Amino acid sequence: DAGITQSPRHKVTETGTPVTLRCHQTENHRYMYWYRQDPGHGLRLIHYSYGVKDTDKGEVSDGYSVSRSKTEDFLLTLESATSSQTSVYFCAILGVGNEQFFGPGTRLTVL
Amino acid sequence: GENVEQHPSTLSVQEGDSAVIKCTYSDSASNYFPWYKQELGKRPQLIIDIRSNVGEKKDQRIAVTLNKTAKHFSLHITETQPEDSAVYFCAAIEDQAGTALIFGKGTTLSVSS
Repeated sequence: DAGITQSPRHKVTETGTPVTLRCHQTENHRYMYWYRQDPGHGLRLIHYSYGVKDTDKGEVSDGYSVSRSKTEDFLLTLESATSSQTSVYFCAILGVGNEQFFGPGTRLTVL
Repeated sequence: GENVEQHPSTLSVQEGDSAVIKCTYSDSASNYFPWYKQELGKRPQLIIDIRSNVGEKKDQRIAVTLNKTAKHFSLHITETQPEDSAVYFCAAIEDQAGTALIFGKGTTLSVSS
């Protein structure tokens, strides 16, 4: 599983509240990614990081911010959650052969 | 940017039959094409991949073919089994370090016994 964990694994929150999801990896991978998965849309990139403090936007970045202060942690923040952000969120890392490996996912429900 | 189309969206087969899932991509610079399998409630898992210097790759009952001229690639599963039932995603990327995969929307494969 490439040493990737995500927390929390499940979260229910209310519209307008801030939410932070954490991705943690133990193998010193440089590149990390956040995707969201929704029925009919597959996996869509939110943000990615190519090193400590180095991040960039993906396809669906509006309403999300990220931070990477340490190699092992990549945080995804919803500043003010909306119902449209109800989704399953997957973190991923880039492996040695440029393959991407995914974390176990976080199921977020915004009421 | 890259766009990946995947067909069909659902596929039902009988155990022992073959299953084929097809993807097309738009960016001729793409040169790495992985396939992921996602079981219900689980993370996507890489099952096979192919790079543009190869036309076909096999791993036991699964194979992937690539046609760079037509910009399409396919996943072939032979002798399907109930445990092959899952959602399958194709993806494409120009194989530079750090570039994120662009995924198709997925195919739900159901294998009935």
